[in-house]
Amino acid sequence: DGGITQSPKYLFRKEGQNVTLSCEQNLNHDAMYWYRQDPGQGLRLIYYSQIVNDFQKGDIAEGYSVSREKKESFPLTVTSAQKNPTAFYLCASSIDQAGSTSNYGYTFGSGTRLTVV
Amino acid sequence: RKEVEQDPGPFNVPEGATVAFNCTYSNSASQSFFWYRQDCRKEPKLLMSVYSSGNEDGRFTAQLNRASQYISLLIRDSKLSDSATYLCVVRPFSGGYNKLIFGAGTRLAVHP
Repeated sequence: DGGITQSPKYLFRKEGQNVTLSCEQNLNHDAMYWYRQDPGQGLRLIYYSQIVNDFQKGDIAEGYSVSREKKESFPLTVTSAQKNPTAFYLCASSIDQAGSTSNYGYTFGSGTRLTVV
Repeated sequence: RKEVEQDPGPFNVPEGATVAFNCTYSNSASQSFFWYRQDCRKEPKLLMSVYSSGNEDGRFTAQLNRASQYISLLIRDSKLSDSATYLCVVRPFSGGYNKLIFGAGTRLAVHP
């Protein structure tokens, strides 16, 4: 079955450590996204990528980095510069056709819950 | 002003009740609209797209009012399993990348 897989499900980070969250999809989607969700709040966009080897900052990119070397994969690194990283991280993918008015939603992975210890 | 605003709730309703959520959006050029459902500590899942003429999927009815810039979701005959947070989602423009803006969600609790 096609889908989007995030790992690990739970991750604990020590102060000053970089950690990398994995996101893999086999939906053949061009676009991929990383969101952060804090308790009682909406999703906030960290980074997105429309195509391999290209990605753009979202609304809260500071302290995060990404790469898109393969269509299927879009890992997120939470660096030590991110001062408040404890949150629920969601990866998503979608069909992406610039200029299209089509009604494409996102498919989400099951998320990674990151906690600073 | 937030781009997408929802009443956070919670809406506490008995089984069998009809409940409606509204959502307002600020960008009048918005092109696409969705309702997502998010269970506690899980990922959001697409519930339904919202079309200009309104659309229905079983017990769920979605409507769009472009003039007033709001979207609604009506749930009839509520089930215990409907308890979740419902996210209103808007695609603000037709060009560029497929950017979606998520509301913070409305929490629904259905009780016996």
